[in-house]
Amino acid sequence: QKEVEQDPGPLSVPEGAIVSLNCTYSNSAFQYFMWYRQYSRKGPELLMYTYSSGNKEDGRFTAQVDKSSKYISLFIRDSQPSDSATYLCAMSANSGYALNFGKGTSLLVTP
Amino acid sequence: GAVVSQHPSRVICKSGTSVKIECRSLDFQATTMFWYRQFPKQSLMLMATSNEGSKATYEQGVEKDKFLINHASLTLSTLTVTSAHPEDSSFYICSARGQKLNTEAFFGQGTRLTVV
Repeated sequence: QKEVEQDPGPLSVPEGAIVSLNCTYSNSAFQYFMWYRQYSRKGPELLMYTYSSGNKEDGRFTAQVDKSSKYISLFIRDSQPSDSATYLCAMSANSGYALNFGKGTSLLVTP
Repeated sequence: GAVVSQHPSRVICKSGTSVKIECRSLDFQATTMFWYRQFPKQSLMLMATSNEGSKATYEQGVEKDKFLINHASLTLSTLTVTSAHPEDSSFYICSARGQKLNTEAFFGQGTRLTVV
């Protein structure tokens, strides 16, 4: 079993929809959780960073972490065609460690 | 966020030759740099972790003599793919983390390597 599981999609939604992206993980030691956006042939761009359980909101993006269920989510409100990209979840047990990535979910927002 | 510059963005080389990829942190000192490889429709796979001034730590299955990593300064790390073969063709991405940036790791733009 991989440490981080993420449905690769593709996920297609109409413009304006609320998008829900999710990851599950098996390592209970993970404490730092991140979401990255990656456009084709580009490096990942950090969207959200969360420590431990809870919610964090930044503009149209909300990140949720449920450590009891080992489940994290990213919500995108009022989705735009420019949000079309691959979204990667990443996590680590310690701030000094490298990140463990999910496979990424490919999102397409249609006008 | 902090800026990490990776160069070149794309390179095509002949089988058997070596290729060097540079990763620079432009506005912070990167005490730790990570090198990842990403195959199409796959996740980023960590290849090695390098701390400035010390030898890189390679992940299991990554040949240290083939993928040479140098992190001689706080703003520059290089990955050299030696005697490249077609199966080394991939997307290579570096990320950098500084002492004051906690766990946030900022990524370079990636390098698309094609070995022909």
